[in-house]
Amino acid sequence: EAQVTQNPRYLITVTGKKLTVTCSQNMNHEYMSWYRQDPGLGLRQIYYSMNVEVTDKGDVPEGYKVSRKEKRNFPLILESPSPNQTSLYFCASGGLNSPLHFGNGTRLTVT
Amino acid sequence: DQQVKQNSPSLSVQEGRISILNCDYTNSMFDYFLWYKKYPAEGPTFLISISSIKDKNEDGRFTVFLNKSAKHLSLHIVPSQPGDSAVYFCAAMVRGGSNYKLTFGKGTLLTVNP
Repeated sequence: EAQVTQNPRYLITVTGKKLTVTCSQNMNHEYMSWYRQDPGLGLRQIYYSMNVEVTDKGDVPEGYKVSRKEKRNFPLILESPSPNQTSLYFCASGGLNSPLHFGNGTRLTVT
Repeated sequence: DQQVKQNSPSLSVQEGRISILNCDYTNSMFDYFLWYKKYPAEGPTFLISISSIKDKNEDGRFTVFLNKSAKHLSLHIVPSQPGDSAVYFCAAMVRGGSNYKLTFGKGTLLTVNP
């Protein structure tokens, strides 16, 4: 089954404690991306990757890092989380002729 | 500046009737438009799309209409079913660039009443 898998689904952490949200896709897509969803703001792009070792900033990249060492994985890293990063995060993958497929989301709370 | 707007936060319709969800955009560079459906605790699921060279695309009960001159698109669901109750996001993108970024509207919560 074609899918994008994110882990964990829920995460509660404290300010400043580094965390990683993993994302993996089994569709051999070259393109992967991270979005965050906030009330009243919709989904906004954080980072994207066109291929292995190729990443770039989206609209709201501050406070986040990503890496793309393998085609299937695209982890989102928060080196020093802050309360304003409390949000619902979605990983997505797609190809040139394929609409974006989204994972089921990670709800992050930073206290 | 919100480039994709869904002005109706919610819509309620009776089962069997038509649901019409609207979306407006401001960026004339957008050339590909998509609708996603989202259930609680799940990620957005692709529903239907339309290229800017077309004005209509149909897939079963779902039809998307595009009016380029008005920068407006709509999603029609006929007939509506209770299982269609979800948040619907309109999204737009510029194809051919280096980023397949989707610009989303804020969503419309559709409730289909039995």
